[in-house]
Parts: sequence; C-alpha cells; structure tokens
Amino acid sequence: AQKVTQAQTEISVVEKEDVTLDCVYETRDTTYYLFWYKQPPSGELVFLIRRNSFDEQNEISGRYSWNFQKSTSSFNFTITASQVVDSAVYFCALSEAGGHGGSEKLVFGKGTKLTVNP
Amino acid sequence: NAGVTQTPKFRILKIGQSMTLQCAQDMNHNYMYWYRQDPGMGLKLIYYSVGAGITDKGEVPNGYNVSRSTTEDFPLRLELAAPSQTSVYFCASSRTGASSGNTIYFGEGSWLTVV
Repeated sequence: AQKVTQAQTEISVVEKEDVTLDCVYETRDTTYYLFWYKQPPSGELVFLIRRNSFDEQNEISGRYSWNFQKSTSSFNFTITASQVVDSAVYFCALSEAGGHGGSEKLVFGKGTKLTVNP
Repeated sequence: NAGVTQTPKFRILKIGQSMTLQCAQDMNHNYMYWYRQDPGMGLKLIYYSVGAGITDKGEVPNGYNVSRSTTEDFPLRLELAAPSQTSVYFCASSRTGASSGNTIYFGEGSWLTVV
C-alpha cells in the first residue's frame, strides 16, 4: 500500500538558516512519482516539484533542493538560507503507476509546518 | 491565468442541509479531482473523473456525489451535511492522471463548516 510519512510535524528556524524537510515513502510499485507541494498561510496548494522513480538525480531550483534516495525510500527537501516567505506547510505526496491496484490519487503525508522567524 | 476555480470560498451549513461546491478548470484537462483536508492531516481523495461522463470513488466518498457533464466543470454535492464534513475542500485537475505522474494543479480551496 502507498504511504507517505513526514515525521516532522513542525519546524521553527531563524531566517537565513538552512532547513531540511524529511519525506519517507512506501510503495510496492517500481514506477511511481513523488511530489512536493507548498501550502502558505493563505491556504492554496502550490506545486513545487515532481520526480519519477527512475530519475534519482538531485535537483536544485534557486534556494530549494531535493534529494531523492531510492535506497532509503526518501525524498527530502532542503531550503537554503530560509526566508520568512518560506513559512508554510509543506506536503510530500506519492502516486503509483498502478501495478498494484493503484488508483488515480496522490497519497499525501500529513505535512510539515515550517515557521521562519525574522 | 484562472487555472482551477472553486466557489464558494467559505460556507457555513446547518446539519442536514445540502449544498454544491462548484469547480471549473480552463486548462482543458481530462482529469479532475476532489480532495478534502482535515486539520493536521494530508489530503484525501473523495472522487475523481477521467473525462466528461465518467466518475469514480476515491478513499472517502461517503456523503458526497459528483457529476461531470463537461470537461470544464466538476461539482461536488454534499447531501445531508454532517459535522464530520467540516473540512477544507480542494478541487484539482491534471492533463492525464496521477498514475502517469502528471502534475495535479489545485484550486484555492473551499472552507466548509457544518454546525
């Protein structure tokens, strides 16, 4: 069965600190997709990144970087030099290609609330 | 830049009332979804549709109904509202489905309180 675990419920940092948000997933499929979404205080869900199971290259986008490790079933998200505007709830999510009865859904973790203090 | 549009944004319902959450997308996406988000939890899939005239249940469909008469619209109907349906509802769409890894784009959410 699909499962996403974000063990960190809340993280608080001071501006300019680096912070890593952890995501561990479970799946029986060999083909799957991982996502990160940001939910700022205004409530909307903003897509950040998608990664497929065959692409283990890490990715960097400005101050954001993602580390995908199949060996540990993890897809961690690092914010470098955090800013107050990074304060949000961040969700990791998983979808399967359907080899084991997967349906058309994203399975979300419970989210990590990040607070960046000035 | 409309993307996925949901209405209303906020609504208070009395127990037993019914209502419809509206959702429209202008990206010509085939797939549309309704998720609910409870406090401190991730999102759970209520219903989804792979195209006009085709809908299917997600993880938590009880107490809800959907229809998909056009590609653009995917309304969610709550019949006989119950306090357990107090939640934030998100409509979403994607070109193809989650199982093909397509990005799912979400609306801004609808906050529903049942009292």
